[in-house]
Amino acid sequence: DTGVSQDPRHKITKRGQNVTFRCDPISEHNRLYWYRQTLGQGPEFLTYFQNEAQLEKSRLLSDRFSAERPKGSFSTLEIQRTEQGDSAMYLCASSLFAGTNGYTFGSGTRLTVV
Amino acid sequence: QQPVQSPQAVILREGEDAVINCSSSKALYSVHWYRQKHGEAPVFLMILLKGGEQKGHDKISASFNEKKQQSSLYLTASQLSYSGTYFCGTVGNNNDMRFGAGTRLTVKP
Repeated sequence: DTGVSQDPRHKITKRGQNVTFRCDPISEHNRLYWYRQTLGQGPEFLTYFQNEAQLEKSRLLSDRFSAERPKGSFSTLEIQRTEQGDSAMYLCASSLFAGTNGYTFGSGTRLTVV
Repeated sequence: QQPVQSPQAVILREGEDAVINCSSSKALYSVHWYRQKHGEAPVFLMILLKGGEQKGHDKISASFNEKKQQSSLYLTASQLSYSGTYFCGTVGNNNDMRFGAGTRLTVKP
């Protein structure tokens, strides 16, 4: 198993464009999480899935953000009509439901909105 | 709902000890600790479950006081490789994790 993979590693987009990121979790992990991290801050929770079900979504997340995990495997995070404030590192993590092994994070997708 | 970490930054010499604290305003099910090096993803160190346990991992250990909703990470005889930003993550009854703002640890020769 190669761990949690995220694609792309970097994305530069113009304000107002839509972007989509992909996350491939560790295959036997049934939970998948999305976080956003800006410089000097801790990861900020966005949403998480258990298998294909989206169980919680941050109230701080605007309706421009949407995430899917269609078959309980990979997940996508889409941001519509990007704004400069969306510039951040988007981290994906996965874990087993029991959670006693902690979360395994991917290397992240760095989004720059110009 | 974000846990509060202290101190914000620590500078040590090799061999010195440090304590990082994490506190939450809500009831906790578990506390995670992660280390993140510059430009890399956070790496899981350990998890402490409800029950007031204490764990150790090499010279890094942690405690969790669920009544006080606090956890502490202890780094003893620090090494250069310990440098990085340490985050606590707290999990409540809703099963999602919130991270603190982090403690930047710098270990100098």
